[in-house]
Amino acid sequence: GAVVSQHPSWVICKSGTSVKIECRSLDFQATTMFWYRQFPKQSLMLMATSNEGSKATYEQGVEKDKFLINHASLTLSTLTVTSAHPEDSSFYICSASMGGSASTDTQYFGPGTRLTVL
Amino acid sequence: SQKIEQNSEALNIQEGKTATLTCNYTNYSPAYLQWYRQDPGRGPVFLLLIRENEKEKRKERLKVTFDTTLKQSLFHITASQPADSATYLCALNNNAGNMLTFGGGTRLMVKP
Repeated sequence: GAVVSQHPSWVICKSGTSVKIECRSLDFQATTMFWYRQFPKQSLMLMATSNEGSKATYEQGVEKDKFLINHASLTLSTLTVTSAHPEDSSFYICSASMGGSASTDTQYFGPGTRLTVL
Repeated sequence: SQKIEQNSEALNIQEGKTATLTCNYTNYSPAYLQWYRQDPGRGPVFLLLIRENEKEKRKERLKVTFDTTLKQSLFHITASQPADSATYLCALNNNAGNMLTFGGGTRLMVKP
């Protein structure tokens, strides 16, 4: 149980284009979804937190107009990288938590999406 | 400043031995701490959660300790196997609901 999927698993795009990444919780309803970015040999850096039906909360230094997050349902969140540039190339990982006791929520991670911007 | 520190150098051990990984933190008062496993090119997989009022937690060959005085967690894998080779991440909640902050991870290599 508690499976999270991401689509696509990898994407290559040209500079200036926009890319949408989907994150789905397959067998549970995710009250909260998180988006992380991970550069090679570095740890996960939280980009934003989204609750279903609400605007996402972005971490300091993350441009909300560049990284558009939509959490339209309890099983789907999307991250759109707008006007992508080579420096946006990274491994993007989403996670989902079920809600309930906020102090002990476990996050279930998707397999990640490798974005390469040429 | 807040820090979560894991040994960035890879830990190489022989199969069958116990692997011990360390997670130290400063300027946090986490209610709980979690350990994850991450394989190359994959998302992290949850392993164990330990609360601030728990000293030790076990799951099969895994054991986690949590010392809030030392601000340290130790992660042990007993009878290690080559399949245990991966990067192990510690994460703690940063007192802002259920958000997690991750350490840099330690890569474990178990040699047959």
